[in-house]
Amino acid sequence: GAVVSQHPSRVICKSGTSVKIECRSLDFQATTMFWYRQFPKQSLMLMATSNEGSKATYEQGVEKDKFLINHASLTLSTLTVTSAHPEDSSFYICSANPGETYEEYFGPGTRLTVT
Amino acid sequence: DAKTTQPNSMESNEEEPVHLPCNHSTISGTDYIHWYRQLPSQGPEYVIHGLTSNVNNRMASLAIAEDRKSSTLILHRATLRDAAVYYCILRDVQNAGNMLTFGGGTRLMVKP
Repeated sequence: GAVVSQHPSRVICKSGTSVKIECRSLDFQATTMFWYRQFPKQSLMLMATSNEGSKATYEQGVEKDKFLINHASLTLSTLTVTSAHPEDSSFYICSANPGETYEEYFGPGTRLTVT
Repeated sequence: DAKTTQPNSMESNEEEPVHLPCNHSTISGTDYIHWYRQLPSQGPEYVIHGLTSNVNNRMASLAIAEDRKSSTLILHRATLRDAAVYYCILRDVQNAGNMLTFGGGTRLMVKP
């Protein structure tokens, strides 16, 4: 099946710094990718929809200036957490769909810890 | 999207069948029923989906009630690797490219 990768798998950063997370569709093109956040013992919450060649669409309550999304190509979307704070520590997951199937493909997730 | 209701957790013994229920009483005619599961510290993975008829694949079976207001995911022989959170999600067939809305899911624990 289709594969979605994320890099890095885990990252620890200091408060106030920025962290970039990459999401790649390895064997298909995706005009749309989705970014989710998951806190411990909770479900996935959609943060934003990443659109290739246009601005991302953010869910209510998600600050677009803090969570910068760039969908530079049909196989790559990046999420940059700017000026990270400890409360941004979470599991960040991306997903994409080849468009030919109703099956959504998820990345393995990136665990961010802000100290 | 219409909402789904699942038990918070279920327990099963290894090598026994598991029936995971999902209620979706407000399902619309164009909603597909999707099941995903999330193993610990991993992203979700697709399990199965269906519209009206029961479905089988190598991972599981999906039994859909005649009125489509409920469905059951069936794992025929649970293994320890099936311990995960199972999410039942409705997705409008007309919006296949849209995001998935995750509810609380059912945490399945498998005892050896």
